[in-house]
Amino acid sequence: GQQVMQIPQYQHVQEGEDFTTYCNSSTTLSNIQWYKQRPGGHPVFLIQLVKSGEVKKQKRLTFQFGEAKKNSSLHITATQTTDVGTYFCAGLTSGTYKYIFGTGTRLKVLA
Amino acid sequence: DAGVTQSPTHLIKTRGQQVTLRCSPKSGHDTVSWYQQALGQGPQFIFQYYEEEERQRGNFPDRFSGHQFPNYSSELNVNALLLGDSALYLCASSLLYQPSRETQYFGPGTRLLVL
Repeated sequence: GQQVMQIPQYQHVQEGEDFTTYCNSSTTLSNIQWYKQRPGGHPVFLIQLVKSGEVKKQKRLTFQFGEAKKNSSLHITATQTTDVGTYFCAGLTSGTYKYIFGTGTRLKVLA
Repeated sequence: DAGVTQSPTHLIKTRGQQVTLRCSPKSGHDTVSWYQQALGQGPQFIFQYYEEEERQRGNFPDRFSGHQFPNYSSELNVNALLLGDSALYLCASSLLYQPSRETQYFGPGTRLLVL
């Protein structure tokens, strides 16, 4: 079945350093969404990417969708302690309503 | 504008029992999806309801069933609970679900512990 993997599983960074998480799908996606989940919380929608090669920015966050629509990345510039949490990608394949979530990357930011 | 609400927030059951979890979607939303999130893992899609019908189902046994009411709220029922059903159950709502466009809004979840 369809799988969505994320790397790395964990990442510890010093405050001010950059951070990147990568998402890879075993199948071509129609779109991909990114979520952030704080410890003890629920996933919060960050962004949706639909077009091949699409790049979107939200302040210090940059999201990219691969040309083949099978991979995506989230890059955070100059991390802050408020960036702590687990970042999930969730992919949708054409003809379905079922988002497949990635394995997540847990980010810790050391002050 | 109320967001997605779920009840109860926490629940403890024993093996073999049955449980019903409830979800009220964000105001104006008509589609509800249920997810199971085990500790340290990503949410796993259980099923989605639209117009009071199950529109798609994930890889979960028939012990997991649901319902959507005319006011768009939804219930998730799990029968014959197993220890492995212990997880955070999340409800997500969206509007006139068009997968290429719509955002999912997640509720706070129900933490279920099966002893």
